[in-house]
Order: sequence, then C-alpha cells, then structure tokens
Amino acid sequence: DQQVKQNSPSLSVQEGRISILNCDYTNSMFDYFLWYKKYPAEGPTFLISISSIKDKNEDGRFTVFLNKSAKHLSLHIVPSQPGDSAVYFCAASVSGRLGSGTYKYIFGTGTRLKVLA
Amino acid sequence: GAGVSQSPSNKVTEKGKDVELRCDPISGHTALYWYRQSLGQGLEFLIYFQGNSAPDKSGLPSDRFSAERTGGSVSTLTIQRTQQEDSAVYLCASSLVLGSLENTEAFFGQGTRLTVV
Repeated sequence: DQQVKQNSPSLSVQEGRISILNCDYTNSMFDYFLWYKKYPAEGPTFLISISSIKDKNEDGRFTVFLNKSAKHLSLHIVPSQPGDSAVYFCAASVSGRLGSGTYKYIFGTGTRLKVLA
Repeated sequence: GAGVSQSPSNKVTEKGKDVELRCDPISGHTALYWYRQSLGQGLEFLIYFQGNSAPDKSGLPSDRFSAERTGGSVSTLTIQRTQQEDSAVYLCASSLVLGSLENTEAFFGQGTRLTVV
C-alpha cells in the first residue's frame, strides 16, 4: 500500500519557467512533509519541509504548499534552473508529539525533473 | 563528523555470501534510518533506530536482513546469504532527537551500491 504517491515519473520544464511537482498521501496521521532532491550517485538532499499547521512554506526559489483536506502537497520551483534537474522525492512522517510512534519517513517514488536550457 | 558517512561506496558480492554495510551518522543524532532504492524505484524503508534500540523493523524484507547500532552511533546492516534481488543502493540517514516539539529533517549519506552477481 503506497501511502505517499508521486504520480508523475517525469517532468520537463523550460529554464526560467515554474516547475510544479505534486505528491498525494493517504494517511491522515501524517503531519510533517518534506521534499528531497537526488542527483545520480548521491544521497538525497533535504530541500524544504512543512508542518501540517501551515499551508505554505517558502525558501528562496522553493515553495511547498499543503492542502490537508485533499491530502496533497506540491513543490513549486521558480524560476527553474538547469541545475535543478534531478529526481525529487516527497516524504511524510508522523511527528513525535502525536505519540503514535514509528517516526519513520515514508517516501514517494520520485519525479525526475529536467530543466531545459 | 560533518555528514552521514557510509562504507563501502560500492560492493560487489557473489550470491550466497554475507555482506555488512556501515553507517556513521551525524554526531549527536539519536535517530538513524536505513532505506534502500532498487533500480527505478523509490526509497523503501527498512529499519530505524532510536539510540541503540530499533522500535520499527517492519521494512526488513526477510530474516536474512538484520541491523544493529552500538554506542548510539555507528550502525551496521547485515545481509546474509545474499540474493540477486538484494541488489540496490542502501541509504542511511540520521536526524535529531525525536519526540521534541520541533520536527526535523533526516540527512542522508551517499549510499552503498550493492551488486549481487
């Protein structure tokens, strides 16, 4: 059972335009969400996160939006740059303060972003 | 250390042999995670440690897989009697104390690429 889903395996965007990566989740207990970027032969690198008490978090060119009612989050990159070309993973977890326990991060299958120069 | 360190970077082993993969987490991080990424797949959770204990081993694929952590620091993932389907990139991550009021992200190592021939 895939609790975190990234339904688009790949996305191509022109340099300077906006990239929008989407993620859906099924477990309503998730209350902390993260985006990671992964280059080939490297480990994932943390990009940005959002707690369920917010619906938007912004860090430079990266903005994450959370729609709890739809169980959907998205990552916006604007403007997109060729160096942003990578695989992007969304992840979700249940925070410790809810006391539910396992604290593990559940990852989606990733979206490969290609930014065209 | 400055980041999560994994060794070896690459491991080629014969089917049926045992392998040990090592992870040195970021100093002070009490939570440690093992994930694996098979070709074309997402990040699959294997096990996580809080200190030296493993509250969640639910992701270990079979009893051929085991992991331990000593001194609240270094962790070893052992795969006995390796099979070709064990071939994957094994990723280790660590994060700060869980259960605090602040959510924290996990930091990943570069991974160990395991090839079983």
